[in-house]
Amino acid sequence: DTAVSQTPKYLVTQMGNDKSIKCEQNLGHDTMYWYKQDSKKFLKIMFSYNNKELIINETVPNRFSPKSPDKAHLNLHINSLELGDSAVYFCASSQLVRSNEQYFGPGTRLTVT
Amino acid sequence: AQSVTQLDSQVPVFEEAPVELRCNYSSSVSVYLFWYVQYPNQGLQLLLKYLSGSTLVKGINGFEAEFNKSQTSFHLRKPSVHISDTAEYFCAVSSTGNQFYFGTGTSLTVIP
Repeated sequence: DTAVSQTPKYLVTQMGNDKSIKCEQNLGHDTMYWYKQDSKKFLKIMFSYNNKELIINETVPNRFSPKSPDKAHLNLHINSLELGDSAVYFCASSQLVRSNEQYFGPGTRLTVT
Repeated sequence: AQSVTQLDSQVPVFEEAPVELRCNYSSSVSVYLFWYVQYPNQGLQLLLKYLSGSTLVKGINGFEAEFNKSQTSFHLRKPSVHISDTAEYFCAVSSTGNQFYFGTGTSLTVIP
């Protein structure tokens, strides 16, 4: 019954590797997001998709590529991982035309060694 | 663009004491306001939200917040905190069809 789910919960990998994080929501929302939370707890929006179309693309290295196969899924692929990519990545969803209240997944803690 | 300011990055408070976490936003249009809580090693959970109507909003775990349009504030309060309230608290603002803006967070530490 989880509303927004992410896999994996933890991801430890070496520099230079390519990895993906998956996100699924069963709330029927039309918009999904990826946020990055650094060690100081700052939340930074990375991408947003509305009905499978990219609507927000903040200043993020092009090593990060989101993919939305359908409205309920938004995956994040990261190429050539760097030490600075270590963070917690949160997926969220909302219904854009209403209050845009964000529903968050549990997060994926990425550690690059 | 809208912005959200949480002036206090860290708030220590003794158990059973009252607490207020401050939030100010900048906007000239109608907004929706939210407080989220993040317990250690967990995701963000909605505490309460203001969409319209009464300016005093009650949320989960005994928290409440008051929307003050003239001061563009949405401060979070609890009359008596518990150890379990130790967490990171985020204020956020949005308006219809626009981006969701988060503050930088306030770390609440409840001291026994």
